[in-house]
Amino acid sequence: ETGVTQTPRHLVMGMTNKKSLKCEQHLGHNAMYWYKQSAKKPLELMFVYNFKEQTENNSVPSRFSPECPNSSHLFLHLHTLQPEDSALYLCASSQDGGASGELFFGEGSRLTVL
Amino acid sequence: AQTVTQSQPEMSVQEAETVTLSCTYDTSENNYYLFWYKQPPSRQMILVIRQEAYKQQNATENRFSVNFQKAAKSFSLKISDSQLGDTAMYFCAFMRVGSARQLTFGSGTQLTVLP
Repeated sequence: ETGVTQTPRHLVMGMTNKKSLKCEQHLGHNAMYWYKQSAKKPLELMFVYNFKEQTENNSVPSRFSPECPNSSHLFLHLHTLQPEDSALYLCASSQDGGASGELFFGEGSRLTVL
Repeated sequence: AQTVTQSQPEMSVQEAETVTLSCTYDTSENNYYLFWYKQPPSRQMILVIRQEAYKQQNATENRFSVNFQKAAKSFSLKISDSQLGDTAMYFCAFMRVGSARQLTFGSGTQLTVLP
């Protein structure tokens, strides 16, 4: 198993659909993250979970709903998205709550909103 | 708030040559870390190199080295003996010590190594 696995790798959805992105880490880390990566823009931190508790929510619209049932799994539930939400969504994990700054990333889920 | 600027959206280099990617940052903090992350095409982003601001010595990792100029708030990445596998998007990132989990990224530089 690779360190951080994201599914699906590609997702196309309409604005009225409900879908979910899944992330799983096999590294025994205690913190997990969702980032949004848009072309020619810096990575945007969306959510952070530390020991299953949400510790950061960077003013993300409510149409994005995270869920962290345990330290190894992280979901991003999507509903009534907008075309500008089309992007690569990256999941990451870290040890020691991220104090070292080293994040371990998944390959990302490419989302297209029609 | 911290900002990280990468002014070179795209660069290219011939295989086996040396290339330098630029990064500047703005902060009022004194204790922080700086990073270079690499994102190959359709592959996971990985940490390339890390620099602690309190260390004067520039970090090195094999063919990768940095030129850290704290007063100028500059943090460039030098790749020596470039290889085709170095083709990737490179992101510079900043983190204040004590603000675990809060990495600020630049917009990235797409590096292409030409055969």
